[in-house]
Amino acid sequence: DSGVTQTPKHLITATGQRVTLRCSPRSGDLSVYWYQQSLDQGLQFLIQYYNGEERAKGNILERFSAQQFPDLHSELNLSSLELGDSALYFCASNWRGDPGNTIYFGEGSWLTVV
Amino acid sequence: AQKITQTQPGMFVQEKEAVTLDCTYDTSDPSYGLFWYKQPSSGEMIFLIYQGSYDQQNATEGRYSLNFQKARKSANLVISASQLGDSAMYFCAMREGRNEKLTFGTGTRLTIIP
Repeated sequence: DSGVTQTPKHLITATGQRVTLRCSPRSGDLSVYWYQQSLDQGLQFLIQYYNGEERAKGNILERFSAQQFPDLHSELNLSSLELGDSALYFCASNWRGDPGNTIYFGEGSWLTVV
Repeated sequence: AQKITQTQPGMFVQEKEAVTLDCTYDTSDPSYGLFWYKQPSSGEMIFLIYQGSYDQQNATEGRYSLNFQKARKSANLVISASQLGDSAMYFCAMREGRNEKLTFGTGTRLTIIP
């Protein structure tokens, strides 16, 4: 158990809909990352938040947005969903004191768009 | 150019044998970190081992060791005495400089044969 908690674990929704994925980082971790894993794109970095502020942005679509709240949990909002958005979405967290700033991943949220 | 290259899409290894998973990387930053993660069929991403670019010795964690050859820009994962539970996807990843996000390779699917 990495200590990173993600909900829901599985989600099936229709095209055009909007979903919210939730993440609680490890206790004490200030950074939260979102990654997308799909068959065609592999593991892609989406966005990072540090203590409530956006720190880095990757290949995140404009239809997607994220935020980190004062209690450090984070949400990834996916809107106008398309079939190609079906993927495993990971939340991860780290603390600068870990060796190499090791990033610990949650179990992921499986999103299926039908 | 690919920053992380894993040239073995799949490997089959007899139980109890040692296995080496290849990873080469590309960076011009003198400060970087290399990571290996394991992803079982259930989907979670499990951190295995970390090697920093300035580390003098190869990293080891139980049955896992990292064969770090800086001049060749390779960071191969060695699993000793393989077990059936080692069957999974294995990803090599890199963090460069002050950038905290990880860039992942395409992974190697390891299957341990009884």
